[in-house]
Amino acid sequence: QSVLTQPPSVSAAPGQKVTISCSGSSSNIGKNHVSWYQQLPGTAPKLLIYENNKRPSGIPDRFSGSKSGTSATLGITGLQTGDEADYYCGTWDSSLSAGLFGGGTKLTVL
Amino acid sequence: QITLKESGPTLVKPTQTLTLTCTLSGISLSTSGVGVGWIRQAPGKALEWLAVINWDDDKRYSPFLKSRLTITKDTSKNQVALTMTNMDPVDTATYFCARCIAAPGRKELDYWGQGILVTVSS
Repeated sequence: QSVLTQPPSVSAAPGQKVTISCSGSSSNIGKNHVSWYQQLPGTAPKLLIYENNKRPSGIPDRFSGSKSGTSATLGITGLQTGDEADYYCGTWDSSLSAGLFGGGTKLTVL
Repeated sequence: QITLKESGPTLVKPTQTLTLTCTLSGISLSTSGVGVGWIRQAPGKALEWLAVINWDDDKRYSPFLKSRLTITKDTSKNQVALTMTNMDPVDTATYFCARCIAAPGRKELDYWGQGILVTVSS
């Protein structure tokens, strides 16, 4: 059971928008930046969002991130079948002095 | 071009010690603000953060596995090693190394290796 809570799955139709939530606590999300990772089937995770809302070079602006208090949200607009993947939030926990990941959310583009 | 590659045994027996090596290219382990972390993923399961070592040799471990893990770096070889003792079948997983941005409040993993599947079985 992960310290960061994500919904196990979300789904939406192509072209639509979806959001994925990540809930933590004051010692992790409440104190540190959140990053988001996309893991396509059979591949290594890829950084999508860092410092809550910044996109690395090459990540389209269809992907966005936000943080409020002890929760964070990943948004994906203009859904494509190629977006079907597992998405993970990650952050640091200042009390544990260790990194954390959420339990992952499987995105299905119907 | 930044790349990381994991290497080590793909099959270990229960109770044995696992040592994995992450070889970095295009990254210097002595660059300020940079670290290398290890993450694993059991088949069909979520990512699990294991450990990180920073440019200044600061080391942090998962509190759940701390007693079994040791992370070290060899700057001359540009390699980071992870040792896990007393391996058990539940430790069967793909083990990834990744570059970590080690700044206050920031710990994102921006470059990942392809991963190595380690199976624990007698």
